[in-house]
Amino acid sequence: GAVVSQHPSWVICKSGTSVKIECRSLDFQATTMFWYRQFPKQSLMLMATSNEGSKATYEQGVEKDKFLINHASLTLSTLTVTSAHPEDSSFYICSARTPGLADKETQYFGPGTRLLVL
Amino acid sequence: AQSVTQPDIHITVSEGASLELRCNYSYGATPYLFWYVQSPGQGLQLLLKYFSGDTLVQGIKGFEAEFKRSQSSFNLRKPSVHWSDAAEYFCALYNFNKFYFGSGTKLNVKP
Repeated sequence: GAVVSQHPSWVICKSGTSVKIECRSLDFQATTMFWYRQFPKQSLMLMATSNEGSKATYEQGVEKDKFLINHASLTLSTLTVTSAHPEDSSFYICSARTPGLADKETQYFGPGTRLLVL
Repeated sequence: AQSVTQPDIHITVSEGASLELRCNYSYGATPYLFWYVQSPGQGLQLLLKYFSGDTLVQGIKGFEAEFKRSQSSFNLRKPSVHWSDAAEYFCALYNFNKFYFGSGTKLNVKP
């Protein structure tokens, strides 16, 4: 099946710094990528939908200036957590959608990036 | 509003025993339902999905799930669990280009 990678898998940073997370579709072109956030013992929550060449669509309650998303190519989307604070510590997962009919699409998920803000 | 509930946070079964992971959903119409598995350090892998038709869905690795509209459930089953099945399992509902995930069930397998 299709492979999605994320880098880094683990990041620890100081409060106030910015962190960039990369999501790559390795063997297919993804016009749409998704960013999720998962707190311990909770569901994956969709943060934003990233479309190649256009602005991301953010879910209600997600600060677009805090979580910058760039989808500059068909195989790469980046999530930048700006001025990170301890409450941003979480597990961030991306997924990439393969082309196809909307009701039978398949999303491939990356392995996730664990962010710890000190 | 749609939602997915996985009532069991942790489940432990013995290797070779049968398994059933529960999933309940809330949605007004016929849902698109999925089961994913996540091993440590790995991405979510699709086990099976239900869109319509036969309510018993077969997936990979010997898993199956049954859609029961009357109970708003989509429970995952496997007749004989292997040690390699130890992982976290997520049930999800798909609607309007979005996935709504349950909180996951962590499966431990005893030798």
